[in-house]
Amino acid sequence: LAKTTQPISMDSYEGQEVNITCSHNNIATNDYITWYQQFPSQGPRFIIQGYKTKVTNEVASLFIPADRKSSTLSLPRVSLSDTAVYYCLVLPSLSGTYKYIFGTGTRLKVLA
Amino acid sequence: DAGVTQSPTHLIKTRGQQVTLRCSPKSGHDTVSWYQQALGQGPQFIFQYYEEEERQRGNFPDRFSGHQFPNYSSELNVNALLLGDSALYLCASRRYGGGNSYEQYFGPGTRLTVT
Repeated sequence: LAKTTQPISMDSYEGQEVNITCSHNNIATNDYITWYQQFPSQGPRFIIQGYKTKVTNEVASLFIPADRKSSTLSLPRVSLSDTAVYYCLVLPSLSGTYKYIFGTGTRLKVLA
Repeated sequence: DAGVTQSPTHLIKTRGQQVTLRCSPKSGHDTVSWYQQALGQGPQFIFQYYEEEERQRGNFPDRFSGHQFPNYSSELNVNALLLGDSALYLCASRRYGGGNSYEQYFGPGTRLTVT
């Protein structure tokens, strides 16, 4: 399983765009990149997943360069409610049983 | 449509005791995973059940065991509790085939305190 590295924490202000980068140097050909969000005392919540280039949904965008050794989660115009821990995961294939390995994540604090 | 449910919400046990935590997956999901989350840490994968069998296991001792029932619900059992077992225990479910998504749905967790 590919190891991921993220910044431990980030601060931002309301209304700004936040970009959180995850490094996964030993990602395998069939691996997908997935991001989760977790609020205190709640279970993590799926945000977005991708394989290459750019993926966008109603919550975030995910940018993956051609070499796929890193990925960037982009949160547009954050609000105070986006204060949470964000986890980057690298997962093999799309079906079957496999381990979801969470690192320590990035603690995002949005300031007023 | 109910999401993942877990019981109990909170639990206090004494060292050496045994505990059983319960999880009901989201409707339509057949794969259940359990995680342990210590304060300030990311969730740590304990094990995953599919078709009533343990399919994947993380780096946890045999004191941690589980079970999946025919209705896909699951239990996590921890024997000989240690102080270090105090944590939030999360259950997550997904559908084995997965479609084209990695999305797991997590329950609210059970807060276990060992004294």
